[in-house]
Amino acid sequence: AQSVAQPEDQVNVAEGNPLTVKCTYSVSGNPYLFWYVQYPNRGLQFLLKYITGDNLVKGSYGFEAEFNKSQTSFHLKKPSALVSDSALYFCAVRPITGGGNKLTFGTGTQLKVEL
Amino acid sequence: DARVTQTPRHKVTEMGQEVTMRCQPILGHNTVFWYRQTMMQGLELLAYFRNRAPLDDSGMPKDRFSAEMPDATLATLKIQPSEPRDSAVYFCASGPSDRVNEQFFGPGTRLTVL
Repeated sequence: AQSVAQPEDQVNVAEGNPLTVKCTYSVSGNPYLFWYVQYPNRGLQFLLKYITGDNLVKGSYGFEAEFNKSQTSFHLKKPSALVSDSALYFCAVRPITGGGNKLTFGTGTQLKVEL
Repeated sequence: DARVTQTPRHKVTEMGQEVTMRCQPILGHNTVFWYRQTMMQGLELLAYFRNRAPLDDSGMPKDRFSAEMPDATLATLKIQPSEPRDSAVYFCASGPSDRVNEQFFGPGTRLTVL
């Protein structure tokens, strides 16, 4: 069975500084990996995904994530954080083969960007 | 701007009552997902459909929960009878099958069972 770990419940960063939200995964075989963001009282919103190819994936709102197979990680990054980036971020995984479209989500990391 | 819609947005009911939540997926999307979000359990997949057929409902308590897609524009999640532990936010999401897991989430139904 697949699993996702987001080791930090909360990440605090000052506006303008780079941010990293960590994610590690466990899956049989090769993974599809995803990041979603949830703003208060809203549904999740797709940010980016890794399917195959370049390990550095660029997504919405200036976010990017780097797939590292040896470390089984898929950390979310942004070079310069904005206050409006404050939200709950979810990492998710599914195996490329088997499991259908079923995503396994992490527990989420609350990002707080302060002035 | 196409969106997934869910009704009702909020529902307060008493234990033992039937609850029906509705979802209208984005037109053209042929996969539909139901999730439940709680502080304790996080985000859990309850069921998902492709082309209106249920593919996986292993995350759903079968004795009281049921999910259906009467047609391509409507998905329903029903709880009968409801219990206080069912209190949660229920999300519906839809996606096109040709784009891997780019799911578009609705705004959710916040259910409170007293």
